[in-house]
Amino acid sequence: LAKTTQPISMDSYEGQEVNITCSHNNIATNDYITWYQQFPSQGPRFIIQGYKTKVTNEVASLFIPADRKSSTLSLPRVSLSDTAVYYCLVEAGMNTGFQKLVFGTGTRLLVSP
Amino acid sequence: NAGVTQTPKFQVLKTGQSMTLQCAQDMNHEYMSWYRQDPGMGLRLIHYSVGAGITDQGEVPNGYNVSRSTTEDFPLRLLSAAPSQTSVYFCASSFQVTGFQKLFFGSGTQLSVL
Repeated sequence: LAKTTQPISMDSYEGQEVNITCSHNNIATNDYITWYQQFPSQGPRFIIQGYKTKVTNEVASLFIPADRKSSTLSLPRVSLSDTAVYYCLVEAGMNTGFQKLVFGTGTRLLVSP
Repeated sequence: NAGVTQTPKFQVLKTGQSMTLQCAQDMNHEYMSWYRQDPGMGLRLIHYSVGAGITDQGEVPNGYNVSRSTTEDFPLRLLSAAPSQTSVYFCASSFQVTGFQKLFFGSGTQLSVL
């Protein structure tokens, strides 16, 4: 699975849009990009997954350029409760064998009033 | 719907003691796994199981033992606790074994080994 690189930490203020970029230069044709969110004292939770272009759900948007060597998680109008660690993962797609998911150190987002 | 349940939430052990961290899921998930999380290290895979009766090692298996006798339960055993095993432990499960794994995590067990 492709290695991912993301910033260690980011700071923001309430009401701002936050964009966290993840680099995955060696992503394979069959790979998807997945993001997890981890609040303090809780386990991570899946928030969004995509292959190309743009994916949006009730939590976030995921932007993936045509070359797919990076992806950007976008959190609109963050609140204090968005303070968390965000992990970017690359997963092989359907019709593949078992894979061990690798969680790096993630990006620690701190939202201030 | 309880999801993934881990017990206990907190545990303090003395070096050399043994104990079992419990993990249960009620979603009929085939895949279950254990991770440990240390400051600055992210989550590291300890052991995993792709179904009842099947287990395998992850990145950091030494000092830990697992078994999977039922689909629902996946206990993690510390055979002889060491201070290096002080960590937060997370259990996770997924319906998918191949392809995408949308992991569901428990709330964690904070373990201190003195």
